[in-house]
Amino acid sequence: EAEVAQSPRYKITEKSQAVAFWCDPISGHATLYWYRQILGQGPELLVQFQDESVVDDSQLPKDRFSAERLKGVDSTLKIQPAELGDSAMYLCASSRDRGSGYTFGSGTRLTVV
Amino acid sequence: DAKTTQPTSMDCAEGRAANLPCNHSTISGNEYVYWYRQIHSQGPQYIIHGLKNNETNEMASLIITEDRKSSTLILPHATLRDTAVYYCIVRVATGSNYQLIWGAGTKLIIKP
Repeated sequence: EAEVAQSPRYKITEKSQAVAFWCDPISGHATLYWYRQILGQGPELLVQFQDESVVDDSQLPKDRFSAERLKGVDSTLKIQPAELGDSAMYLCASSRDRGSGYTFGSGTRLTVV
Repeated sequence: DAKTTQPTSMDCAEGRAANLPCNHSTISGNEYVYWYRQIHSQGPQYIIHGLKNNETNEMASLIITEDRKSSTLILPHATLRDTAVYYCIVRVATGSNYQLIWGAGTKLIIKP
């Protein structure tokens, strides 16, 4: 069964440092999503791509977060500088198109110390 | 803001049917109801979705009331591996795009 790949699985970083997460969606999936999930809460959408274009980044804290999907395939989410409140699970998901169901990766657990 | 309301937690005996309720009283006519579940430390897993009619697949059944203000996810024969947080989600249209609005979910514990 096709999967969404994410790395690293776990990341510990000091505050004020830069951190990056990588996601490889299911082959052929045009839509890619980055979510943040704080412990005990549901996922919150950060950014959505359609191919290489951003279609929704209204919830992305743009002063410190950036995301790219240069060739419309894999994607990178970056935080610089990291803050203590950024500690969370960062989930990547993909779908065939905007109206289809999502497949999630296993996520990256970020701890900022 | 979440458009769904779910119990915080539920228990169910292994082998019995688990019925998870969800209230979505403000749902609009073209908004779908989705269910996902999340096992500890993993990414959410798609279960089922529907608009008006009841739906069934190999994992579960989804019963949507006629007024669409609530729904129930049914796991027909719960096993210990069904212990997870279950999210009832409304998919809303935002212009030419769609977005899943997540709540806090129901923690379902299957007991032996």
